[in-house]
Amino acid sequence: QSALTQPASVSGSPGQSITISCTGTSSDVGIYNLVSWYQQHPGKAPKLMIYEDSKRPSGVSNRFSGSKSGSTASLTISGLQTEDEADYYCCSYAGSRNYVFGTGTKVTVL
Amino acid sequence: EVQLVESGGGLIQPGGSLRLSCAASGFTVFSNYMHWVRQAPGKGLEWVSVLYGGGDTYYADSVKGRFTISRDNSKNTLYLQMNSLRADDTAVYYCARDGGSSEFDPWGQGTLVTVSS
Repeated sequence: QSALTQPASVSGSPGQSITISCTGTSSDVGIYNLVSWYQQHPGKAPKLMIYEDSKRPSGVSNRFSGSKSGSTASLTISGLQTEDEADYYCCSYAGSRNYVFGTGTKVTVL
Repeated sequence: EVQLVESGGGLIQPGGSLRLSCAASGFTVFSNYMHWVRQAPGKGLEWVSVLYGGGDTYYADSVKGRFTISRDNSKNTLYLQMNSLRADDTAVYYCARDGGSSEFDPWGQGTLVTVSS
């Protein structure tokens, strides 16, 4: 199972919006509405930000939103803040009791 | 409070064995799907294994036949038995609960496994 493809890095200024893409295939992202997104600060455990493509867990800022079109999922961060600087990973159920993560994206707040 | 605490990591020689533990609180391990996910130094996340509530287990191809996931309901603890360890198994290992839609939440703090001679 190949990793989902994410851009290595995305940057933006405070207050701007950025979007991180996550490209899979018709065997994972394209067929299951089970994409999740995680934020990971250096030396910390990942934190769930989005599940089921676009649902936001309780306690996660509404500045974070998820969407999907075909085999590409996206995470948008609106009103970028300095504390949003972190690594972000997507993940999808891939069938046959397998799960696949994205390659990861480093978000830099300029 | 829902919490996961891993332990058992350390330095181990290639070919050796190690058992990781993940103690859960605030929920019961046996009634949830539970996962292990790892992260090699400076690298991305890699799914390792899942234990479904009914007891079925599944593994990534990279660890199949070498790793075994299990649980002790009386201790509310998840385990990962790792045998025939290789240098490329070096990683921080996280346990995580499946939220019900293949999402991982919460995560433990992670435990570092270093395979080196």
